[in-house]
Amino acid sequence: KNEVEQSPQNLTAQEGEFITINCSYSVGISALHWLQQHPGGGIVSLFMLSSGKKKHGRLIATINIQEKHSSLHITASHPRDSAVYICAALDRGSTLGRLYFGRGTQLTVWP
Amino acid sequence: SQTIHQWPATLVQPVGSPLSLECTVEGTSNPNLYWYRQAAGRGLQLLFYSVGIGQISSEVPQNLSASRPQDRQFILSSKKLLLSDSGFYLCAWSPGLAGIQYFGAGTRLSVL
Repeated sequence: KNEVEQSPQNLTAQEGEFITINCSYSVGISALHWLQQHPGGGIVSLFMLSSGKKKHGRLIATINIQEKHSSLHITASHPRDSAVYICAALDRGSTLGRLYFGRGTQLTVWP
Repeated sequence: SQTIHQWPATLVQPVGSPLSLECTVEGTSNPNLYWYRQAAGRGLQLLFYSVGIGQISSEVPQNLSASRPQDRQFILSSKKLLLSDSGFYLCAWSPGLAGIQYFGAGTRLSVL
């Protein structure tokens, strides 16, 4: 069983739609990362959060520590948002900053 | 500002050949360094991490090794590649043990 589970695995949307990607984790964490991986493979860190909500442009990330659940929302989605979105949990018990990764959600936004 | 460089971007190697992937970080000192692998259809897997020069820890037993000859240089190596070593390899750094990790552009390795 994976320590971090993401859903859905694949997501297709029309431009302008509101997108939600979910992440559940089973380990005790000190923070949770949302990463974006573009078709070429490069990974960009979008958010790191340990409580509440963070917003950057059209992206919003929320986390509920009690429920061990986080969501990534994209408002007014655009074709350039097409990418794989990865959730990664920072192990609270790790001395090295160990991340447990979800398998990713492939998002495709059509014009 | 800090930047991370990883090369080569793509690599095709025959089975049994050696491997050397290099990662360097600029603009910071004493970073934590990580090597990850992403196999096709699977999530990222931590291979090695380093908290200082010459200090390497391995997460999973495998055909690979890592070295940190300088503070901001992290090298992933193999003496003899296997087919199962194919995948996408990512280097990352973080300023502290609980900090955000910043990823390199990755190396796509195909072992044929």
